[in-house]
Amino acid sequence: QSVLTQPPSVSAAPGQKVTISCSGSSSNIGNNYVSWYQQLPGTAPKLLIYDNNKRPSGIPDRFSGSKSGTSATLAITGLQTGDEADYYCGTWDSSLSAGVFGGGTKLTVL
Amino acid sequence: EVQLVESGGGLVQPGRSLRLSCAASGFTFDDYAMHWVRQAPGKGLEWVAGISWNSGSIGYADSVKGRFTISRENAKNSLYLQMNSLRGEDMALYYCAKDMQEQLDLGMDVWGQGTTVTVSS
Repeated sequence: QSVLTQPPSVSAAPGQKVTISCSGSSSNIGNNYVSWYQQLPGTAPKLLIYDNNKRPSGIPDRFSGSKSGTSATLAITGLQTGDEADYYCGTWDSSLSAGVFGGGTKLTVL
Repeated sequence: EVQLVESGGGLVQPGRSLRLSCAASGFTFDDYAMHWVRQAPGKGLEWVAGISWNSGSIGYADSVKGRFTISRENAKNSLYLQMNSLRGEDMALYYCAKDMQEQLDLGMDVWGQGTTVTVSS
């Protein structure tokens, strides 16, 4: 059971928009920055979003992040088949003094 | 080129020890916190341990606390994970990852390719 809760799967058609939620508590999302990672099959995770809503260089603006209270959301617009991957949210948990990840969400582009 | 290369994985019997290493290059290693993250076959990411730039702050997942020790040697641009009393549930692909901050923040922008730990008798 992960500290952060994500939907196991989401799906949408090419060109559409999809959102992935990440729910936590005041000890993690509520008081710390959230990051989002994309993991394509057989590869290492890749940072998509850090500090809730910032994109590293090279990440297209189709990917965006937001946070409200104890929840965070990753939005992907203009979906492409190459976006099919597992997506994870992560943050620091001040009560646990540990890093925590969501259980991951599998994105299917129909 | 910014790079992290893990080594030290392998097959180990339950109860035995293993030491993982991560060699960093292409960035100023002692400016950043570092992490170990693992992924069991077919499962999600699990944060294992993290260490700040100067080793002043260290954290562990409850699942490994008391058995694993993270350390770093800035002069050698290297990160380590000493794993003792290994269990079957420790079997996973272990990633080394660079934080974007000096302190533990979990914004990890550089990842290695991982080293596999298999625990079996």
